[in-house]
Amino acid sequence: ETGVTQSPTHLIKTRGQQVTLRCSSQSGHNTVSWYQQALGQGPQFIFQYYREEENGRGNFPPRFSGLQFPNYSSELNVNALELDDSALYLCASSSGQMRVEGSNEQFFGPGTRLTVL
Amino acid sequence: AQSVTQLGSHVSVSEGALVLLRCNYSSSVPPYLFWYVQYPNQGLQLLLKYTTGATLVKGINGFEAEFKKSETSFHLTKPSAHMSDAAEYFCAVSAAGFQKLVFGTGTRLLVSP
Repeated sequence: ETGVTQSPTHLIKTRGQQVTLRCSSQSGHNTVSWYQQALGQGPQFIFQYYREEENGRGNFPPRFSGLQFPNYSSELNVNALELDDSALYLCASSSGQMRVEGSNEQFFGPGTRLTVL
Repeated sequence: AQSVTQLGSHVSVSEGALVLLRCNYSSSVPPYLFWYVQYPNQGLQLLLKYTTGATLVKGINGFEAEFKKSETSFHLTKPSAHMSDAAEYFCAVSAAGFQKLVFGTGTRLLVSP
């Protein structure tokens, strides 16, 4: 069974640029959630995708957007990068929908560390 | 709205000593509670979770936690620390029926020989 994978591992961008982060969900999972973990902080929920539709969003501006593909892999896109976007971005996969099966365990990937200069 | 407070950003114990990591939560609906561990440069691994039923929950690597509704707490314990337990620990809450996790700020556990 393949776990959650994320690419790239590390990324360096400059302010104003755009970035795309990728996540492959665990086999059999149809739900992907994205979290931002700033240095020294706990992860913060960005949004969740269930069967290719956004299914819940945290307190992040519209320049944070995402996609989920038919194979349930996902992308996180961030436009107009700001210095405060520097963080570890974590992807988590699970089965079931956000408002249906809240106890389903979320399996986290190793994360992508984004540095914005 | 939900929130989690983890008391103590750093906890230091000796190998073989009791580990106690504190977590208090706030939730307007019945909560689901989780403890995750994060090793350097890695993602989060679930240690244990409370959803419904028995309030004492046993997890992996000898950890356990007790849900105390009256105290709104979900403290993590381990009877005897091992060097390999040194890591960052996060308490998280979600509303029953929702998968959005709200995390605390984490507690770094340091284990000395």
